[in-house]
Amino acid sequence: GAVVSQHPSWVICKSGTSVKIECRSLDFQATTMFWYRQFPKQSLMLMATSNEGSKATYEQGVEKDKFLINHASLTLSTLTVTSAHPEDSSFYICSARDHSRGYEQYFGPGTRLTVT
Amino acid sequence: GQQVMQIPQYQHVQEGEDFTTYCNSSTTLSNIQWYKQRPGGHPVFLIQLVKSGEVKKQKRLTFQFGEAKKNSSLHITATQTTDVGTYFCAGDNYGQNFVFGPGTRLSVLP
Repeated sequence: GAVVSQHPSWVICKSGTSVKIECRSLDFQATTMFWYRQFPKQSLMLMATSNEGSKATYEQGVEKDKFLINHASLTLSTLTVTSAHPEDSSFYICSARDHSRGYEQYFGPGTRLTVT
Repeated sequence: GQQVMQIPQYQHVQEGEDFTTYCNSSTTLSNIQWYKQRPGGHPVFLIQLVKSGEVKKQKRLTFQFGEAKKNSSLHITATQTTDVGTYFCAGDNYGQNFVFGPGTRLSVLP
């Protein structure tokens, strides 16, 4: 159990366009979802934390108007990268936590975004 | 803010040798978690330590949580090529912050 999926797994878009990434918990209810960004050979940088039905909490330095996060249900969160630029190219990973199970985060497979 | 450090950054070992990575937090943690990320993959949860001084074992892996709940270690006995990957610790500050360490990248030479 505790499977998290992400869609798409990779996407290429042009500068100035917007890209939406979906994160779904398939077999449990995710009370909290997290969005991370990972550059090659680097650690995961937390971008934002979202609780179902409420606004996301963004980490310092993350532009909330650029990285729009919606957590509309207990099984789905979306990250929209608006007006993408080449420097937004990265590996975006979501994770989900079910508070009834404890502190463990279950990670999705990640989405590789390339902005040309 | 909370900082989590890991050493070493890289470790190359011969298959069969032991390996240890250390994790240190700038603040006291409610719990610490360890994840493994294979090349090209996503982080996979290994274990969570909650109690001061806790020691847990998973086959060849031994995890320790320091008495002050600010540091932790992961020790692998007799490494195998399947152990290759990056090992991250992540410190949870009572739900207020969840910070990943920079990771230790392990290479195992056959």
